Amino acid sequence: SQQGEEDPQALSIQEGENATMNCSYKTSINNLQWYRQNSGRGLVHLILIRSNEREKHSGRLRVTLDTSKKSSSLLITASRAADTASYFCATDAASNFGNEKLTFGTGTRLTIIP
Amino acid sequence: SQTIHQWPATLVQPVGSPLSLECTVEGTSNPNLYWYRQAAGRGLQLLFYSVGIGQISSEVPQNLSASRPQDRQFILSSKKLLLSDSGFYLCAYTQGWKTQYFGPGTRLLVL
Repeated sequence: SQQGEEDPQALSIQEGENATMNCSYKTSINNLQWYRQNSGRGLVHLILIRSNEREKHSGRLRVTLDTSKKSSSLLITASRAADTASYFCATDAASNFGNEKLTFGTGTRLTIIP
Repeated sequence: SQTIHQWPATLVQPVGSPLSLECTVEGTSNPNLYWYRQAAGRGLQLLFYSVGIGQISSEVPQNLSASRPQDRQFILSSKKLLLSDSGFYLCAYTQGWKTQYFGPGTRLLVL
């Protein structure tokens, strides 16, 4: 079954607004990552948050992690048209030690309306 | 700097034909390598991963296979393609920390 599932599946907002996406997972993790994918392209790593961290920032990105609820959120502030893309969370399960596998969620399709 | 290449970029193949997709990494040694498939509008499904030359782990039983003949080369193959093999194939590598770096992908259409 899918380890990570994003919510919502699709999100459309006006340029300049903030966009929030959520990810839920099922098993204990070592870390959780967020990736971005422009249409028809490969994924690009955005940010990694370790299981002992609760919040992390990178530019206009803010990621939170709540291991008690097995959930994470990605906030993009002051959105721009160029932020239009699909966003995926990926989990490194604690049981995967040594295997270095990630399990990707189903993604949130974000559309920024100019 | 490290880069990852995939080819071809797009491929249209008839059902029953063979397949060979190639992925190569530059600027790093002994990377972990991964093959994913992504159906339209969906998430990524891990197909194979490799931690070294000749070492392949299969995640999903299917008519695809993978090989790693050289340290920085990862090949995805099939002897006979099925319609259900259509999709977007992504190769990725890790080096050290578990951040994955993805290639540009190959779009495969099986007719």
